[in-house]
Amino acid sequence: DGGITQSPKYLFRKEGQNVTLSCEQNLNHDAMYWYRQDPGQGLRLIYYSQIVNDFQKGDIAEGYSVSREKKESFPLTVTSAQKNPTAFYLCASSIAPSTAHTQYFGPGTRLTVL
Amino acid sequence: KQEVTQIPAALSVPEGENLVLNCSFTDSAIYNLQWFRQDPGKGLTSLLLIQSSQREQTSGRLNASLDKSSGRSTLYIAASQPGDSATYLCAVRATGANNLFFGTGTRLTVIP
Repeated sequence: DGGITQSPKYLFRKEGQNVTLSCEQNLNHDAMYWYRQDPGQGLRLIYYSQIVNDFQKGDIAEGYSVSREKKESFPLTVTSAQKNPTAFYLCASSIAPSTAHTQYFGPGTRLTVL
Repeated sequence: KQEVTQIPAALSVPEGENLVLNCSFTDSAIYNLQWFRQDPGKGLTSLLLIQSSQREQTSGRLNASLDKSSGRSTLYIAASQPGDSATYLCAVRATGANNLFFGTGTRLTVIP
């Protein structure tokens, strides 16, 4: 059963705490992405990775960090420096960074800061 | 910077009607345009991908068109069903960019 999994589905965090969101894919895709979705706004890119051990900042990378130590995993850490972290976070992957390939999305993690 | 707009923000139609969702983008230098479906609280499902050299793509009751020169795309849904109720998102891949630029979506409700 191939696909992208994200965990947890819901996450609650106290202010000042770091939290890590998991994203795993078994599609053998090279490229992976993290997006943030807020009500009334389109998805915005946080970070992306084209290959293992490489990643690039997206449009709203401040307050976030990532790692890509394995091809199938691309965890996102929301740090205490992120001013407004409450949002719906979506992970995606594509066969390659090439523009011709579609991105496949995970089910998302809803993060709420208390 | 590429901006993507979707109109209307919400749409309600009776079951069986044909309908059109609109997407416009400001920069015509794109590689492709993609339509997604999102159910409440869920991830995105890709519906159709149109390369910049193509004019349209079809999948079942769905037909997406692309007019790059005018910066517009439409998603046509034939014979709508209650199961089509969802938010439909349009996204463009700009030339030289590694990410997608998304619109804010159209929330569709098909009334039985």
